[in-house]
Amino acid sequence: QVQLQESGPGLVKPSETLSLTCTVSGYSINSDYYWAWVRQPPGEDLEWIATMIHTGTTYYNPSLRSRVTISLDEAKNQFSLQLNSVTAADTAVYYCARQVSGLGSYHDYWGQGTLVTVSS
Amino acid sequence: QSVLTQPPSVSAAPRQKVTISCSGSSSNIGGSPVSWYQQVPGTAPKLLIYESVKRPSGIPDRFSGSQSGTSATLGITGLQTGDEAEYYCGTWENSLHSYVFGTGTRVTVL
Repeated sequence: QVQLQESGPGLVKPSETLSLTCTVSGYSINSDYYWAWVRQPPGEDLEWIATMIHTGTTYYNPSLRSRVTISLDEAKNQFSLQLNSVTAADTAVYYCARQVSGLGSYHDYWGQGTLVTVSS
Repeated sequence: QSVLTQPPSVSAAPRQKVTISCSGSSSNIGGSPVSWYQQVPGTAPKLLIYESVKRPSGIPDRFSGSQSGTSATLGITGLQTGDEAEYYCGTWENSLHSYVFGTGTRVTVL
């Protein structure tokens, strides 16, 4: 059974860096699946942030590309998100997910989500 | 600002049917299969439909998907109170090498 769990600070100050980690259990991230971050501001819609596979291929949301880095730690079976220069607009529930990319792309397993608030 | 447009809300009585549309363009739905997600408030999204028409294990056949041209549709038959949730479509946006979600549709059981 694939399980994902997000972890990281729940409060980040404006202009600082948001850092989150997703711990994957039940499946190796060193596989033919992609690993993704998705966020959802309070009361708003889902927004895809970034995706990565163990080969090093990455994809980023164009609107966030300049501030985002996704990375994998195969030894720990974790992947991470860094979002720089955050503002209140980055306040959201952040989800990590496994992304299938083949005939179609979709997210089949999700973490429970973690709320990150940007405030001084 | 999503490139995939859904109706804000749909509603129907128990045991009735609802359909949710997802409208896109040739660079997304027109070239890639659509997936659908159900999100009960306060919980993570759950995959309902993938590759336009397939259901993951455990998803009842009351949920169905279809896709034609630059649009896709999610159908829910035999509506139950437990189906009250937000539903999102999603697909790959080939022009931007990005994944995009729809604007979300709230399903209410009357």
